[in-house]
Order: sequence, then C-alpha cells, then structure tokens
Amino acid sequence: AQSVTQPDIHITVSEGASLELRCNYSYGATPYLFWYVQSPGQGLQLLLKYFSGDTLVQGIKGFEAEFKRSQSSFNLRKPSVHWSDAAEYFCAVGGGYNKLIFGAGTRLAVHP
Amino acid sequence: GAVVSQHPSWVICKSGTSVKIECRSLDFQATTMFWYRQFPKQSLMLMATSNEGSKATYEQGVEKDKFLINHASLTLSTLTVTSAHPEDSSFYICSGGSKGAGHEQYFGPGTRLTVT
Repeated sequence: AQSVTQPDIHITVSEGASLELRCNYSYGATPYLFWYVQSPGQGLQLLLKYFSGDTLVQGIKGFEAEFKRSQSSFNLRKPSVHWSDAAEYFCAVGGGYNKLIFGAGTRLAVHP
Repeated sequence: GAVVSQHPSWVICKSGTSVKIECRSLDFQATTMFWYRQFPKQSLMLMATSNEGSKATYEQGVEKDKFLINHASLTLSTLTVTSAHPEDSSFYICSGGSKGAGHEQYFGPGTRLTVT
C-alpha cells in the first residue's frame, strides 16, 4: 500500500537559514509526488510536483525538491527561509483513482 | 490558476441539526471532487471521492448516511453533515480535479464546523 512519511513533526529555523523538509514514500511504480503548504485556517497550496523527467523540480516561493528513487525520497528545500514561510507542509503521493495520500505534515516555525 | 471556493468558511450549528457545505470550482470543470476532514494539527483524511453525476465513493470508516455528498454539476459539490454532533466538529476541505489532470488537485480554503 502507498504511504508517505514525514519524519519531522516540527522544525524551527532562523530567518535566512536554509531549509530541508524530509519526505519518504512507499509506492510500487513511478510515483507522482507533491508538496503542499497550508497556512493556519487555510486550504492547501501546491508548491511543486514531480511526475517524470528532471529529478530536481522547481516550485513557487523559491522552493525546490529532489526526487531520489534509490532513497524513496522527495525532500523539499529552500536556500533562505523567510518569516512568511512559517506554515504546515505536506508531502503527498498519488494513489489509485487519482487520490492523494498525505504525510502527517511538518510544522515550520521561523525565528526572526 | 485553478480556483476552488468553499461556503461557508465557518459555521456553528446546534447538535442534531444538519449543515451543508458547498464547494465550487470557479474556473475549471471539476470532473472529480474530493472531501477531506482535518483535525487540529493533523493531516488530511480523505472522506470521499465524487465524480460528476455519480454517487460518491466513501473511504472505509466514513458513514455515508451521515456525510451526504452530492456532485450534481461540473462546478459544484456539496457535503451535508446530517444530525451533527460535537464530534463532527472539524475543518472540512474540498478539492477538485479535472479530466486528464491525473492526481493534481486544487484545494478550497476549507470550512470550519463547530457543533455545540
């Protein structure tokens, strides 16, 4: 069965520092992978997605993610975090019937 | 980009009453709509998937008689929580997917339901 693991429940970084949020997936075939961001009390906004091709994908707001098949990972990165990046981040993998399977989420706090 | 709206954004209702939440795709045809429930500080739990003009498919453990889903048109789906109880209080989020878009879903802003 498909699953997504986000090992870090809560991460705190200083503004201007680099960021990496981890995501591991379990899926038998080539996965469709997504990263979403959710601000408090809001819906989800798509940051980036991977379907095929270049394993380093660029997204909005300066985020990027790298698909590593050998590690079953799709980690999200940003070179310099802004205070406005504080939010909840969800990694997801596409499952059967076009469903999305979400990880538990990582809550990002940014110190000034 | 694809925009999904939800109405209302928050609602308070008394125990035993029913409440309807609307989900609209504003600039695309949502052939499939998904309804999620999210508890505080938790991930999204898929409740059901609905295709336009068809009955919704509910996930295991979700009471279909309690959470009525209708997807009457390509731009509108509704979730009705019947005989609501305090334990139904939650954040409900819908998303829409269009034909040919695969797994890509566009999410609404969510509806906060509080049952007193």
